[in-house]
Amino acid sequence: DQQVKQNSPSLSVQEGRISILNCDYTNSMFDYFLWYKKYPAEGPTFLISISSIKDKNEDGRFTVFLNKSAKHLSLHIVPSQPGDSAVYFCAPTSGTYKYIFGTGTRLKVLA
Amino acid sequence: NAGVMQNPRHLVRRRGQEARLRCSPMKGHSHVYWYRQLPEEGLKFMVYLQKENIIDESGMPKERFSAEFPKEGPSILRIQQVVRGDSAAYFCASSPSAGAGITGELFFGEGSRLTVL
Repeated sequence: DQQVKQNSPSLSVQEGRISILNCDYTNSMFDYFLWYKKYPAEGPTFLISISSIKDKNEDGRFTVFLNKSAKHLSLHIVPSQPGDSAVYFCAPTSGTYKYIFGTGTRLKVLA
Repeated sequence: NAGVMQNPRHLVRRRGQEARLRCSPMKGHSHVYWYRQLPEEGLKFMVYLQKENIIDESGMPKERFSAEFPKEGPSILRIQQVVRGDSAAYFCASSPSAGAGITGELFFGEGSRLTVL
């Protein structure tokens, strides 16, 4: 039962351009959505989140969009930088510690 | 460094041996969570503990796996009689309060990578 899907396992983007990472979910009980970033051999680090009462949250170069009717969220990074190269996980939750992680999208930003 | 500390970072065991993974939460955090990441998969919740209490172990296999968070010392995830399918990265996270999804994020350690030969 895959409640969270990140259908693009990898993405390559030129430095300075926009990176768009997508996440689809099936559970309508999710009400808080987080994005985590993970470098090799390190633990995930929190990046940005959005509550289900909003449809957009912005933090510097990072913006998360939530479309509840489509059960879809996306992370936009603009401009992309080489240091953004990492694996990005979306992790919805229904307000508890049981984050449901997607399988991740490996972003590579080319200099 | 007041981050979540996990050790060992890498552990190799033969089938049938025991694996013990340790986690010290961030200073001031009394809530500890263990997640497991199998190859090519996302992280999956295993267990949530507070000091001396297991709050939710619904994600943990019923046999061979156990977890504790004693009054003194780190949280320990113990896997008895390991099998090859236990090979994974085990991540510990902590938070200052429960329901971290509402109040904020979980803070993850760097993980312990278990390889079972």
